[in-house]
Amino acid sequence: QSVLTQPPSASGTPGQRVTISCSGSSSNIGTNTVNWYQQLPGTAPKLLIYSNNQRPSGVPGRFSGSKSGTSASLAISGLQSEDEADYHCATWDDSLRGWVFGGGTKVTVL
Amino acid sequence: QVQLQESGPGLVKASETLSLTCTVSGYSISSGYYWAWIRQPPGKGLEWIGSIFHSGDTFYNPSLKSRVTISVDTSKNQLSLKLNSVTATDTAVYYCARGPGDYGDNEAWGQGTLVTVSS
Repeated sequence: QSVLTQPPSASGTPGQRVTISCSGSSSNIGTNTVNWYQQLPGTAPKLLIYSNNQRPSGVPGRFSGSKSGTSASLAISGLQSEDEADYHCATWDDSLRGWVFGGGTKVTVL
Repeated sequence: QVQLQESGPGLVKASETLSLTCTVSGYSISSGYYWAWIRQPPGKGLEWIGSIFHSGDTFYNPSLKSRVTISVDTSKNQLSLKLNSVTATDTAVYYCARGPGDYGDNEAWGQGTLVTVSS
């Protein structure tokens, strides 16, 4: 049971917009910034979004992040076949004094 | 460019101690940042195990705290993980990372190493 709640799956056709939610509480998302990670099959997670909505260099602009209250979202605009992967949200939890992750969302490109 | 490489036994017997090393190249651990161990059981999500600052300050996942020790060897530029009294539920891919945090381009992860706990 993960501290952060994500839908287990999401899907879309090429070119569509897909949104993934990440729900937390006042002690984690409500207080701290959120990171998003992309994990391609058989590989290590790769930082996709940090500080709620910032993209590391090299991450395509079709990926965007947002946060409101105790929830965060990752949007993929113009979905591409290479976006098929697992996506994880993460943040610091002040009560647990540690990092917490969502259970991950598998994105399928139909 | 920083690189992290995990190493250690791929098979550990139940009740024994899991020991892993993360060798960092391209950056001196003693220069800063938090460094972490994170694991992922097969088919499941990511779980933070703990973090250590270059000064040696540590934070552990409360659910694992009684069994975990994370340390740094600045002379070898290595991060280490010890998890004792392992069970099958500790079977996972173990990653070391510079971060997590608001590090942006400076966050980095190793490729991970699979550790299987056998009975």
